[in-house]
Amino acid sequence: DVKVTQSSRYLVKRTGEKVFLECVQDMDHENMFWYRQDPGLGLRLIYFSYDVKMKEKGDIPEGYSVSREKKERFSLILESASTNQTSMYLCASSPGGLAPTHEQYFGPGTRLTVT
Amino acid sequence: AQSVAQPEDQVNVAEGNPLTVKCTYSVSGNPYLFWYVQYPNRGLQFLLKYITGDNLVKGSYGFEAEFNKSQTSFHLKKPSALVSDSALYFCAVRDRGGATNKLIFGTGTLLAVQP
Repeated sequence: DVKVTQSSRYLVKRTGEKVFLECVQDMDHENMFWYRQDPGLGLRLIYFSYDVKMKEKGDIPEGYSVSREKKERFSLILESASTNQTSMYLCASSPGGLAPTHEQYFGPGTRLTVT
Repeated sequence: AQSVAQPEDQVNVAEGNPLTVKCTYSVSGNPYLFWYVQYPNRGLQFLLKYITGDNLVKGSYGFEAEFNKSQTSFHLKKPSALVSDSALYFCAVRDRGGATNKLIFGTGTLLAVQP
């Protein structure tokens, strides 16, 4: 079974802090994704990566950055946390290549509260 | 641009009755469609997908979905609902804009099954 793990289930940070969310997958997937989930808005893509050191902006990248130094690990960074970044953050991975048919595998999520 | 709509925020059904969760999509070209389920405080779990072939797709936990090209719909169905099916359901469509397996999600439908 594919396993995607996230470093924290719950996190509370103060406004202005730098926040790191870590995601690790164990299936040698090329693609990794970071989403945020908010009630009524569904899942919105923040950033994704299709290879080590490669990244692309999603739909809502402002206020976030990412890092992918190793294939299995994809980090989401909030440079200066703000209260409007309070949300559920979900990491996902999927096989790469040109085949568009693969589903994504999700981690359990990190509920971040910024006070 | 690709998009997915889930017109119902919540669906209520009695245990043992059939259930339907609606999804419509808009894509240029052939769609690749997915359903995911999210139980409370958990990540998303893959249920089923339509790539090509038979319009009726069967998935996990007794769920199925019917692809209807003329109505641009991909409704999720189950013949007999269980209380344990109560969860948040997301429809997603593959973004054909790139080589990566990027998905566009609907806003989600909360399914409540009453005993």
